[in-house]
Amino acid sequence: DIVMTQSPDSLAVSLGERATINCKSSQSVLYSSNNKNYLAWYQQKPGQPPKLLIYWASTRESGVPDRFSGSGSGTDFTLTISSLQAEDVAVYYCQQHYYTPPAFGQGTKVEIK
Amino acid sequence: EVQLVESGGDLVQPGGSLRLSCAASGFTFSSYWMHWVRQAPGKGLVWVSRIDTDGSSTHYADSVKGRFTISRDNAKNTVYLQMNSLRAEDTAVYYCARGGITFDYWGQGTLVTVSS
Repeated sequence: DIVMTQSPDSLAVSLGERATINCKSSQSVLYSSNNKNYLAWYQQKPGQPPKLLIYWASTRESGVPDRFSGSGSGTDFTLTISSLQAEDVAVYYCQQHYYTPPAFGQGTKVEIK
Repeated sequence: EVQLVESGGDLVQPGGSLRLSCAASGFTFSSYWMHWVRQAPGKGLVWVSRIDTDGSSTHYADSVKGRFTISRDNAKNTVYLQMNSLRAEDTAVYYCARGGITFDYWGQGTLVTVSS
């Protein structure tokens, strides 16, 4: 099975500053036939279900603020929050949906410094 | 508006059974794969099972294979998870999720507690 590893496990960022979360897949999730990376990012706030933020590694879901961006290809991916807001405090998960079973990273907790 | 509403979670003894339901609305249910994903208290997300549009194909995580069964009723816009031989490690919030490109909509979850 594919293993997704996120780093760091947690980070504290000042309001308005940049937050960067990394995600590494044990195998490439790039599908050569359509040149798409089957990598998604989710945000989960306490007591709530996860919310899809980004799919295809870099495509923002409708309604997601543009301060959230995704990048990377193959096995290495990054979620960036360009200017952290108070409402962004949450746990963030990456997830590959190329292989079965779909696999999530362990999560990265983002807090305000 | 897409809505997914889970139900059926409860406290059950080890070895017991439970059936979860997820009622869908706001989209053409029969056109989408559906998934169950669980989250143990204070832990991360773990995919459990998925079913294709007409129920002809199902997949399971190794940890639940042979004990859990996913099914769907497209006439009722509902997906189910039959859970048998429950173990303490099955304790979690169980979410159903719509399988668009990936898990694009999630329910609020239902809590399953396995304890004596």
